[in-house]
Amino acid sequence: GAVVSQHPSRVICKSGTSVKIECRSLDFQATTMFWYRQFPKQSLMLMATSNEGSKATYEQGVEKDKFLINHASLTLSTLTVTSAHPEDSSFYICSALPGQANQPQHFGDGTRLSIL
Amino acid sequence: SQQGEEDPQALSIQEGENATMNCSYKTSINNLQWYRQNSGRGLVHLILIRSNEREKHSGRLRVTLDTSKKSSSLLITASRAADTASYFCATGYNAGNMLTFGGGTRLMVKP
Repeated sequence: GAVVSQHPSRVICKSGTSVKIECRSLDFQATTMFWYRQFPKQSLMLMATSNEGSKATYEQGVEKDKFLINHASLTLSTLTVTSAHPEDSSFYICSALPGQANQPQHFGDGTRLSIL
Repeated sequence: SQQGEEDPQALSIQEGENATMNCSYKTSINNLQWYRQNSGRGLVHLILIRSNEREKHSGRLRVTLDTSKKSSSLLITASRAADTASYFCATGYNAGNMLTFGGGTRLMVKP
């Protein structure tokens, strides 16, 4: 149980393109989803916390207008990288949290974004 | 900024040996979690240990937590080549269950 599906797994696109990444909890309801960014051989850096039905909470230094997050339902959150540039190239990972306290986050398989 | 520091950053051992990874953190926590990441993949949850627990086991994994020293360790016994991955500790420190990740330990188990 507790499967999180992230799609697409890899995107290669031209500079200026907007890219949407989906994160779905397949067999549980996730009131909270998290979006992380990971550079090669580095740890995960939290970008934003997404709560169903409310605006996402962004970490310091993360541009809200650049990384649009929509948590449309209890099983789906999307991250849109708007007008992507080469410096946005990275590995983006989502996670979903069941409603109970002190529970582990369940992670998607990540999206490798490459902007040419 | 990262809450945790992991030690060592990289570890190379032979199959069958034990692997120990350490994690230190800075602030009070509700729980500490260990995750595994294979190259280019998402994270897989291994163990969650609550702040009032001192030790937890799961198969070949043993996790300890010392809140007085703000540190935790992950021991993998009888390692296998398939254990090759990066291992991250993450601390949960508020009701929102946000996690702050350590820098990770890259483990290589040679067959």
